[in-house]
Amino acid sequence: KAGVTQTPRYLIKTRGQQVTLSCSPISGHRSVSWYQQTPGQGLQFLFEYFSETQRNKGNFPGRFSGRQFSNSRSEMNVSTLELGDSALYLCASSLRTDPSYNEQFFGPGTRLTVL
Amino acid sequence: DAKTTQPTSMDCAEGRAANLPCNHSTISGNEYVYWYRQIHSQGPQYIIHGLKNNETNEMASLIITEDRKSSTLILPHATLRDTAVYYCIALGYGNKLVFGAGTILRVKS
Repeated sequence: KAGVTQTPRYLIKTRGQQVTLSCSPISGHRSVSWYQQTPGQGLQFLFEYFSETQRNKGNFPGRFSGRQFSNSRSEMNVSTLELGDSALYLCASSLRTDPSYNEQFFGPGTRLTVL
Repeated sequence: DAKTTQPTSMDCAEGRAANLPCNHSTISGNEYVYWYRQIHSQGPQYIIHGLKNNETNEMASLIITEDRKSSTLILPHATLRDTAVYYCIALGYGNKLVFGAGTILRVKS
């Protein structure tokens, strides 16, 4: 079956703009999580959605937001972009949410460059 | 979520076993040990996980000490394609993976 897809794969924006990234999870997966990866901070958890509800949130400013639709597809939005938002944004989906078996499948990421 | 500590980097000869250690001395009883790896420019990939028993799958083996304060990921016959950053994560309920710096494994021919 198809893996996690993310669009667009690459994006260039300027400071002050806003951006929306999209993630389509594996069919049947209801949990979608977002991560930011930068050389300085590594992989950091942004938030997680399950059945259209945000369940977990990382330590990011309110400029970072997300949502999940009824078909489990998710979007994340970053408003008023800053240079430091340049990063690889990764989306992961999972079938279950309990830790006894919680394999998360990651997409290829969206590379965002803020100029 | 418990903090994990891993060596910054390790080298391994191709064809030999790669043993990657992880310390998680503050792990709680309901937290599982998960291992992921990230090959350059790709999203992380799940490898294996366990609670307190040793586990094996087609990719690797996971050895967890009896006191659960540390574990070792074993790649039995490392290949050049196993060169990656390996992350050890203590995961409780919920999907919040807390990634540390991980271990850079370099497999050399």
